[in-house]
Amino acid sequence: GAVVSQHPSWVICKSGTSVKIECRSLDFQATTMFWYRQFPKQSLMLMATSNEGSKATYEQGVEKDKFLINHASLTLSTLTVTSAHPEDSSFYICSASRPGNQPQHFGDGTRLSIL
Amino acid sequence: DAKTTQPTSMDCAEGRAANLPCNHSTISGNEYVYWYRQIHSQGPQYIIHGLKNNETNEMASLIITEDRKSSTLILPHATLRDTAVYYCIVREDGGTSYGKLTFGQGTILTVHP
Repeated sequence: GAVVSQHPSWVICKSGTSVKIECRSLDFQATTMFWYRQFPKQSLMLMATSNEGSKATYEQGVEKDKFLINHASLTLSTLTVTSAHPEDSSFYICSASRPGNQPQHFGDGTRLSIL
Repeated sequence: DAKTTQPTSMDCAEGRAANLPCNHSTISGNEYVYWYRQIHSQGPQYIIHGLKNNETNEMASLIITEDRKSSTLILPHATLRDTAVYYCIVREDGGTSYGKLTFGQGTILTVHP
């Protein structure tokens, strides 16, 4: 079946640093990828839609300059949390979907802890 | 906002069928019903989806009412590993929101020995 790989699985870093998270579709080309965030005991919240070769579409309330998204190829999207602070600590999850009415498949998530 | 409502939690005995209901009374004619589950500290796992006909795969069955205002996910023989949060999602279609999934709070299914 379809596989989406996310890296790293977890990261701990100091406040003020930038962190890059990678999302890869391993066995299909993904023209669209999605980035979600999940705080403890809450549901997933969509942050942005990443489109290959064009700018990402951000959900209301998500700062595009803080959460930089790059989708340079059909198999890779990256999310960079710039100048991360403790309130950015969360579980970040990506998903990828083939074109058409196909299911989204999710990565295993990245747990980000900012000290 | 999520367009579905689900019970907060349900229990099921191991080996028995787990029937998880979902209401989606405002569903549009071209919107699909998707089911995902999330085991603690993992990404959501796709289970099944359907438009109007009942669907079955190796994981589960999906029963959609004729008016499409509700559906039921059936896990025929629940195991302890099926303990998870189950999300019923109506998938938006068309325009800039194509493919977006809006997650609600889901149903916490606990399978007991």
